[in-house]
Amino acid sequence: EAQVTQNPRYLITVTGKKLTVTCSQNMNHEYMSWYRQDPGLGLRQIYYSMNVEVTDKGDVPEGYKVSRKEKRNFPLILESPSPNQTSLYFCASTLGGVGVGEQFFGPGTRLTVL
Amino acid sequence: KQEVTQIPAALSVPEGENLVLNCSFTDSAIYNLQWFRQDPGKGLTSLLLIQSSQREQTSGRLNASLDKSSGRSTLYIAASQPGDSATYLCAVKGHEKSKLTFGKGITLSVRP
Repeated sequence: EAQVTQNPRYLITVTGKKLTVTCSQNMNHEYMSWYRQDPGLGLRQIYYSMNVEVTDKGDVPEGYKVSRKEKRNFPLILESPSPNQTSLYFCASTLGGVGVGEQFFGPGTRLTVL
Repeated sequence: KQEVTQIPAALSVPEGENLVLNCSFTDSAIYNLQWFRQDPGKGLTSLLLIQSSQREQTSGRLNASLDKSSGRSTLYIAASQPGDSATYLCAVKGHEKSKLTFGKGITLSVRP
């Protein structure tokens, strides 16, 4: 089944404790991206990647890192999480390096930073 | 900077009604527009994708139209059902850094 998977689905952590949220897609998509969704603010893009080793900042990149060493994986790293990073996070992928095709979303990761 | 607006934020209708959800955007230079459905606490499910050269797309009881020049899209849902209750988001793919800009969504409730 074609899909985008994220792990973990739920995570509660404390300020300053490094964490990684994994994202993997099995559709051989070039373009992958991370969003966060907050009440009243909607979905905002954090980072995106047009292909392996090609990443760029979205609208709200502060406090996040990403890497794209393999085509299928695009992990989101929070080096020192803070409470304002409490949010619902989505990974997405699409065919084509500029991301103009249909976007497929993962199920989301609900992160709480205490 | 692209802005996407969806009004109203919430809508409640009786079962069986045909309804239209609106989406407007400020920059008409787009690659495509996509409609999504989101159930509470869940991910986004793609409903319809309209390329900038297209006027509309249909899938079952759903029909989405695009008027790029006026910066508008509509999602038409025929014969609404309680199972259609969800939040509907539109998103436009622009030329700026291949970015996808989302509206804040319309939360639809279909009453039995």
